[in-house]
Amino acid sequence: AQSVTQLDSHVSVSEGTPVLLRCNYSSSYSPSLFWYVQHPNKGLQLLLKYTSAATLVKGINGFEAEFKKSETSFHLTKPSAHMSDAAEYFCVVSDGGSGNTGKLIFGQGTTLQVKP
Amino acid sequence: SQTIHQWPATLVQPVGSPLSLECTVEGTSNPNLYWYRQAAGRGLQLLFYSIGIDQISSEVPQNLSASRPQDRQFILSSKKLLLSDSGFYLCACGGLIRREAFFGQGTRLTVV
Repeated sequence: AQSVTQLDSHVSVSEGTPVLLRCNYSSSYSPSLFWYVQHPNKGLQLLLKYTSAATLVKGINGFEAEFKKSETSFHLTKPSAHMSDAAEYFCVVSDGGSGNTGKLIFGQGTTLQVKP
Repeated sequence: SQTIHQWPATLVQPVGSPLSLECTVEGTSNPNLYWYRQAAGRGLQLLFYSIGIDQISSEVPQNLSASRPQDRQFILSSKKLLLSDSGFYLCACGGLIRREAFFGQGTRLTVV
């Protein structure tokens, strides 16, 4: 069964410094992996996705993530944090099993705080 | 691309009252549809998913039910709300193999 673990519940960075949000996954299949962002009381917005193409995936707002099969990781990075990046971030793996339901399995989320 | 309409945005209901949250989808046909709940400070829990009209699967036993009367309409209901039903409810569509899901803006439900 698929699962995903976000290693940090809270990350605090200063504006202009790099961001690293860590995610490890477990999957019996070749996984599809996603990062979503959620601003307070809003829906979720897709940042980027990995679907077995290039292992380095570029997303919106300067974010990118690298799929590392040997480490079962899919960490999210950004070279320089902006105040508007403060939000909740979710690492997600897709149910790619025989049921083909496409269910998304969410990590517990990482709250990113950006200090001025 | 898909657009998900979800309403109401916020809702305060007394314990024991009924609930009906509606979600409609534009820009696609025969989508997979999902209801998720997000409790305060926690991740998203999948409540129901549907692969077609009247085809609904429940992920966890609970006080809620779901219906899909039309291809692009998904309704979350309860006959009697509990305090523990409070949370942020999100409707989503898509999520097919190697495809992302698109989310509505959510409903903040507070049961008092």
